Amino acid sequence: DAGVIQSPRHEVTEMGQEVTLRCKPISGHNSLFWYRQTMMRGLELLIYFNNNVPIDDSGMPEDRFSAKMPNASFSTLKIQPSEPRDSAVYFCASSLTGEQFFGPGTRLTVL
Amino acid sequence: GESVGLHLPTLSVQEGDNSIINCAYSNSASDYFIWYKQESGKGPQFIIDIRSNMDKRQGQRVTVLLNKTVKHLSLQIAATQPGDSAVYFCAEKGTGRRALTFGSGTRLQVQP
Repeated sequence: DAGVIQSPRHEVTEMGQEVTLRCKPISGHNSLFWYRQTMMRGLELLIYFNNNVPIDDSGMPEDRFSAKMPNASFSTLKIQPSEPRDSAVYFCASSLTGEQFFGPGTRLTVL
Repeated sequence: GESVGLHLPTLSVQEGDNSIINCAYSNSASDYFIWYKQESGKGPQFIIDIRSNMDKRQGQRVTVLLNKTVKHLSLQIAATQPGDSAVYFCAEKGTGRRALTFGSGTRLQVQP
């Protein structure tokens, strides 16, 4: 298995633009997690899905952030409009039991 | 100006020595704990886990100890190697939850 796949690996955009981050979980995993990592706040859980259903989105910063999981093999995290303070590394992780497997992350820079 | 970032505690050890990284957690209802290793530019990588009905678990060169009385978790790395240099995170999960709560991390530096 290729592990959790994220794209793009790097994204540079201008303030106000829409950003879409993509994730393909490990096949057979039924839970998917989106995290954000910054120097200021460390690793934060944004939202997680179980069997494609959002379970806890309390970590989503504000309405500019949205996440979808249309099927078991794909999820997106969208930021619209993006702001400089959204600059961070965004990780996707998937799991079947307790252990979560992380993707390589998307480094987002909003200018 | 630039904001001050999260200051990670740093543990510096000599190659070949044993390393002990500590973590305190606050949720007495946590029933599952994991240690992750994160190298620069990569995502966190699973090292070892332990359930709350255990107090010790061993892997290859790593041992996790859990003290539920004082809510303390530690990761011991035997014969530390330069490749062990990374940031180490502990994470906990409450009963019935799937989400993990991560600690702030400890940076391990191995001196050759």
